[in-house]
Amino acid sequence: DTGVSQDPRHKITKRGQNVTFRCDPISEHNRLYWYRQTLGQGPEFLTYFQNEAQLEKSRLLSDRFSAERPKGSFSTLEIQRTEQGDSAMYLCASSLDDSSSYNEQFFGPGTRLTVL
Amino acid sequence: AQTVTQSQPEMSVQEAETVTLSCTYDTSESNYYLFWYKQPPSRQMILVIRQEAYKQQNATENRFSVNFQKAAKSFSLKISDSQLGDTAMYFCAFTAGTYKYIFGTGTRLKVLA
Repeated sequence: DTGVSQDPRHKITKRGQNVTFRCDPISEHNRLYWYRQTLGQGPEFLTYFQNEAQLEKSRLLSDRFSAERPKGSFSTLEIQRTEQGDSAMYLCASSLDDSSSYNEQFFGPGTRLTVL
Repeated sequence: AQTVTQSQPEMSVQEAETVTLSCTYDTSESNYYLFWYKQPPSRQMILVIRQEAYKQQNATENRFSVNFQKAAKSFSLKISDSQLGDTAMYFCAFTAGTYKYIFGTGTRLKVLA
């Protein structure tokens, strides 16, 4: 297993377009998280899944954002009608629900979104 | 609300020297976890060190150690024998119960040759 992967690594789009990002977690991990990181800031939580269930969503996740994790494996994050303020690095992380794991999250390389 | 504060936006250290990065947090939870993550330029975040709040002993991982002061809600990271490869953004993170991480704004560390 090579860790958490994200696709694409970079995405440039025009304002108003829809974009979709994919995250493949570490295979045995049942939790998956999405964060957003803007320049000079720490990552901010967006949402998380336990298996296929989306258990928490941040108020940062407006109705233009939707995330899915069908079958509890990979996840997609879609942004509809993108705005320039959506420009950021979108990070995915996964973790194992295990009492000995400290809930350590393993991060992917991120998808950098630029909205023109 | 739970918050994490890193008050040092940038720091530099000479190679082989020791540097300490500061982190304070605020929570009403009694049990939680604290982490330091490293984000090298254009590379993904990796865990440096972690600490459970109920453990009084400070965590140590090779050249990295923490000073965890629960009453003061302080969690600083000490890097000994700094190496050029330690150059990165360092984020302090907190989690309790809900599993999501709350991150500080980061400290950019530059190790000078």
